[in-house]
Amino acid sequence: DIQMTQSPSSLSASVGDRVTITCRATQGISNYLAWFQQKPGKAPKSLIYAASSLQSGVPSKFSGSGSGTDFTLTISSLQPEDFATYYCQQYTAYPYTFGQGTKLEIK
Amino acid sequence: EVQLVESGGGLVEPGGSLRLSCAASGFTFSSHWMHWVRQVPGKGLMWVSRINSDGSTTKYADSVKGRFTISRDNTKNTLYLQMNSLRAEDTAVYYCVRDQGYGAYGFDYWGQGTLVTVSS
Repeated sequence: DIQMTQSPSSLSASVGDRVTITCRATQGISNYLAWFQQKPGKAPKSLIYAASSLQSGVPSKFSGSGSGTDFTLTISSLQPEDFATYYCQQYTAYPYTFGQGTKLEIK
Repeated sequence: EVQLVESGGGLVEPGGSLRLSCAASGFTFSSHWMHWVRQVPGKGLMWVSRINSDGSTTKYADSVKGRFTISRDNTKNTLYLQMNSLRAEDTAVYYCVRDQGYGAYGFDYWGQGTLVTVSS
């Protein structure tokens, strides 16, 4: 199975900051990489697919990059509603696998 | 508006069975692959199973293979997950998820989830 590792596992930031979360795959996955946001008690929300394409309705403050094994999610100008847990996922091979999550907290 | 509404969760004893349903609306259900993803409360996400548009091919995580069966009824716009021989480690919130592009573009819409608790 392809393992996905996110770093950091948790992150403290302030409103207005820009943050970057990294996701690494144990083998090349081309650009078959997605990012999701999850708030407590809610279902995950799809943010990005194909490593860098924004889902419809997702603000441009979210951006993704990378290819192969190394990927990043960048969130600019953090607002209170952005504080959540973020997951990456590969969907090039079964079983689809997720990173362990990065909890973004308010400093 | 795309909607995915899961139902069928609840408390079941180890070794028991449960069938989850996911009612889809707001899109052409028969054109999309569908998935189940689960999440142990307070933990991460785990992909469970996938079914293609016409139900002819399926995929499963190793941990559920042989015990769970994914299926769909395109006339009822409904996705199912039949879960047999349930174990305590199957306790989780189960999400129904739409695939936006035959596997090429991953997931887009998620249901609200249904909680399955396996306990005596």
